[in-house]
Amino acid sequence: NAGVTQTPKFQVLKTGQSMTLQCAQDMNHEYMSWYRQDPGMGLRLIHYSVGAGITDQGEVPNGYNVSRSTTEDFPLRLLSAAPSQTSVYFCASSYKRVDTQYFGPGTRLTVL
Amino acid sequence: AQSVSQHNHHVILSEAASLELGCNYSYGGTVNLFWYVQYPGQHLQLLLKYFSGDPLVKGIKGFEAEFIKSKFSFNLRKPSVQWSDTAEYFCAVNRGSQGNLIFGKGTKLSVKP
Repeated sequence: NAGVTQTPKFQVLKTGQSMTLQCAQDMNHEYMSWYRQDPGMGLRLIHYSVGAGITDQGEVPNGYNVSRSTTEDFPLRLLSAAPSQTSVYFCASSYKRVDTQYFGPGTRLTVL
Repeated sequence: AQSVSQHNHHVILSEAASLELGCNYSYGGTVNLFWYVQYPGQHLQLLLKYFSGDPLVKGIKGFEAEFIKSKFSFNLRKPSVQWSDTAEYFCAVNRGSQGNLIFGKGTKLSVKP
């Protein structure tokens, strides 16, 4: 099993550009989530999904969209990048909402 | 709102010293508790977790944590740290069966050889 994979590993955007961070898991997990990690802030939940076709907002959803058309994939879209979105983004998955979460390797995003 | 507090931002220890990292949460109902570790340049990995049963939980690499319900605490311990334990440690809490995982801000541990 590849576990949780994320692409790209690094990305530099200009303010106003849009992009999609990819996340996939091959463990047949129902629950998937996106976090951002900022120094001194820990991890904050952006969006999550409890199954295909079901998504909801987390703590810091503004400026981000998600969709879950399949069990395996959970892409995160930045609609119009802002410097405040400079961060490291982690995708995670688990069998159910309350369970051990398995994290991807992260995407380091810089918005200029 | 539920919150998770980690008392120490940065802890510096020498090898073989004992470690205790504090974690407190604010929710009074049923909780599920986790400690995750992030080694430099890597993603988060589970160290240990508590769902129910024995409040003293043992994890990987010699780590353990004790759930003290009356103190809303889940402190992480290791009797003798190694240089390879240098990492950032995150406490996280799920509330009941419907809550999302809430992370503390993390504690950076530096172990001097």
